[in-house]
Amino acid sequence: GAVVSQHPSWVICKSGTSVKIECRSLDFQATTMFWYRQFPKQSLMLMATSNEGSKATYEQGVEKDKFLINHASLTLSTLTVTSAHPEDSSFYICSVIRAYEQYFGPGTRLTVT
Amino acid sequence: AQSVAQPEDQVNVAEGNPLTVKCTYSVSGNPYLFWYVQYPNRGLQFLLKYITGDNLVKGSYGFEAEFNKSQTSFHLKKPSALVSDSALYFCAVRDMGDYKLSFGAGTTVTVRA
Repeated sequence: GAVVSQHPSWVICKSGTSVKIECRSLDFQATTMFWYRQFPKQSLMLMATSNEGSKATYEQGVEKDKFLINHASLTLSTLTVTSAHPEDSSFYICSVIRAYEQYFGPGTRLTVT
Repeated sequence: AQSVAQPEDQVNVAEGNPLTVKCTYSVSGNPYLFWYVQYPNRGLQFLLKYITGDNLVKGSYGFEAEFNKSQTSFHLKKPSALVSDSALYFCAVRDMGDYKLSFGAGTTVTVRA
C-alpha cells in the first residue's frame, strides 16, 4: 500500500484569509496526487490532479486561482485555499497512486468563520 | 464517461444479520471496481477491489463483493454484520486506461445491536 498524511487535520480560519493544507506521501515517491473535497454525508468530488514539477489539472468548475495546488516534490503536494469564504468549509482529502490504486489521506476539516 | 450508482442512501441491519450494499456502474471499457469505507471525520479506507479474474472478491474485515458483468453490478456483502461496521460506504470505478476514480454517492450503514 501507501501511507499518506495530511496536515492539519482540522483548521478554522476567518473569512478572507488563506489556508494551506499539506499532503505527504510517507513511504514512496508520488508523481501524481489527487485533491478531493467532500461535503457532509456526500460523495467525494475530484478537484484537481497534482503532478510533480508541473501545473495541476483542475476539474471543470473548480477555480484554479482560488484553490492553488503546488506539487514541488515527490512527497509533498499543497492545497492553498485563498481568500476563504464560509462556503469553502468542507472536508478536503488527498490521495496518491501506487500500482494503479489510490491511497487516501486522513482528510482535513476546514471551517471558515 | 464512467459513473457509479448506489441506489440506497441508508441500509439498516441487525447485528449478526447479512449486510448488502448495492452498486452498479457504467464504463466504456473494462472496469476496475473498488469499495471504500469512511468513518466520521476520517479519510477513506480501502476494502477490496476487482480488476480481473474471479468474480467473487474477498477483502478486509470479512467483506466480499461479487462482480456481475451482465448486470453491471458490484454489490458489497458481509455474512454477519457487526455494530462496528456502521459507517459510510463508497463504491468507485475507473476505466482500465484512466487513473481517475468516479465515486458513488455513498451508503450509510447502521448496524444495531
